[in-house]
Amino acid sequence: DAKTTQPPSMDCAEGRAANLPCNHSTISGNEYVYWYRQIHSQGPQYIIHGLKNNETNEMASLIITEDRKSSTLILPHATLRDTAVYYCIVRVAEDSGGSNYKLTFGKGTLLTVNP
Amino acid sequence: SAVISQKPSRDICQRGTSLTIQCQVDSQVTMMFWYRQQPGQSLTLIATANQGSEATYESGFVIDKFPISRPNLTFSTLTVSNMSPEDSSIYLCSVRGLAVEQYFGPGTRLTVT
Repeated sequence: DAKTTQPPSMDCAEGRAANLPCNHSTISGNEYVYWYRQIHSQGPQYIIHGLKNNETNEMASLIITEDRKSSTLILPHATLRDTAVYYCIVRVAEDSGGSNYKLTFGKGTLLTVNP
Repeated sequence: SAVISQKPSRDICQRGTSLTIQCQVDSQVTMMFWYRQQPGQSLTLIATANQGSEATYESGFVIDKFPISRPNLTFSTLTVSNMSPEDSSIYLCSVRGLAVEQYFGPGTRLTVT
C-alpha cells in the first residue's frame, strides 16, 4: 500500500488560502489520491480526488506534482467552518479493475482556521 | 451523494452486553463498510459488507466479535458483541455505489462501562 505523510497540524487565517501538503512517494501508477475531511464529531466528508491532472471542484483544488510523489489540497478562501482534520489517502485497489478498493486512513492534518 | 443514517447515534452499555448498530442509506449501493474510530485516533476499517455474501473482515477483526448483516442494498447492521471498555469508539457506516466517492454516516458513539 502506498503510504502518505502529512503534517500533524496547520493554522490558517480566515479568508486566506489554506494549502495542505501530502507526500506519497511510493504511489503506483494506477493509484488515485483522495482527500477527505472530518469536522469534529461528524463522519468524514469527501472533498476531491485525482490521478495525474490537477482537479478543481466547488470545495477545493488538488494539485498533483508531475512525478505524482506529492500533492497539495487548496482551500481558496478558508472559513472557520473549514476547521477539521484533513486526510490524504492513496486508494488501494483490490483488483486490477480498481472497483473494489478500500480507503485506508492515516492520522491526517488538523487544520485550524483562526479569525 | 448518498444520505446515510445510523441508529443509535450514541449509547452507553455495560461490559459483557452486545449492541447492534443500524445503517440505512437512501439509495441502493454496491458496497457498504464499517469503520471504527477509537478516541483521538484515525478511522480503522472493520469489514466490508456485501449484499448476498458474507462480510470480509480486516486483520484484527473477527466475525464472532463484530457480526455483520447486509439483507439488502440499502441496509446493514454491525453488532459489537461481549463488549469491554476497549470497544468504546465511534462506529461509522460508509457506502460506495457506482461513483468513486465514498460517503460516511454520522457515526454511533459507543461508551462501554
